[in-house]
Amino acid sequence: QVQLQESGPGLVKPSETLSLTCSVSGGSISSFYWSWIRQPPGEGLEWIGYIYDSGDTNYNPSLKSRVTISMDTSKNHFSLKLTSVTAADTAVYYCARSLGRYCSGGGCLPKNFDYWGQGTLVTVSS
Amino acid sequence: DIQLTQSPSSLSAHVGDRVTITCRASQSISSSLNWYQQKPGKAPKLLIYVASILQSGVPSRFSGSGSGTDFTLTISSLQPEDSATYYCQQSYSPPQVTFGQGTKLEIK
Repeated sequence: QVQLQESGPGLVKPSETLSLTCSVSGGSISSFYWSWIRQPPGEGLEWIGYIYDSGDTNYNPSLKSRVTISMDTSKNHFSLKLTSVTAADTAVYYCARSLGRYCSGGGCLPKNFDYWGQGTLVTVSS
Repeated sequence: DIQLTQSPSSLSAHVGDRVTITCRASQSISSSLNWYQQKPGKAPKLLIYVASILQSGVPSRFSGSGSGTDFTLTISSLQPEDSATYYCQQSYSPPQVTFGQGTKLEIK
């Protein structure tokens, strides 16, 4: 059974960088598509971006200038960095797996999310 | 960007009722629509993918239908454990994955 576990600081100061890691167990990180998704308290879901083990990435255009997703196959984990955070970045951050993706002229996107981490709350506050 | 609009935003129903939630896309997304269930404090759970395929382990009282711009999630006989928020999601059309705003389902 695949399991995902997010880890990282629960409190980040404004203007600093949010860094999270998703550790994958019960299966290899290779050959799948791995996303970060967030949910502000009491609100809906927002996709942040994804990575494939070839290093291929795609990001939400609204966050693209601040986001980097990377992968370490030797450690079977992938990571999120979000720079210059503000209070609007306060949210529960989830990592999730996709089995496939859709590709068109505009790029590729993960199809759906079949496994999720439990989520980790990150609060941006001084 | 494709917008997904769910209706209703919330509803309340009795155990045993048939419940339908609708998701409308701002442009055609073929059958590339997924449904998730989220309970308080938990991660979303994939229920239905490609509009009508039941994810493994999901009870058969859940079903999905639709194509193009209009989709529905139906619970044929509501159970107490179905109290949750339901989201639709598409990734057919770049530049981004989008989710509906959610439908909160309560049991009377």
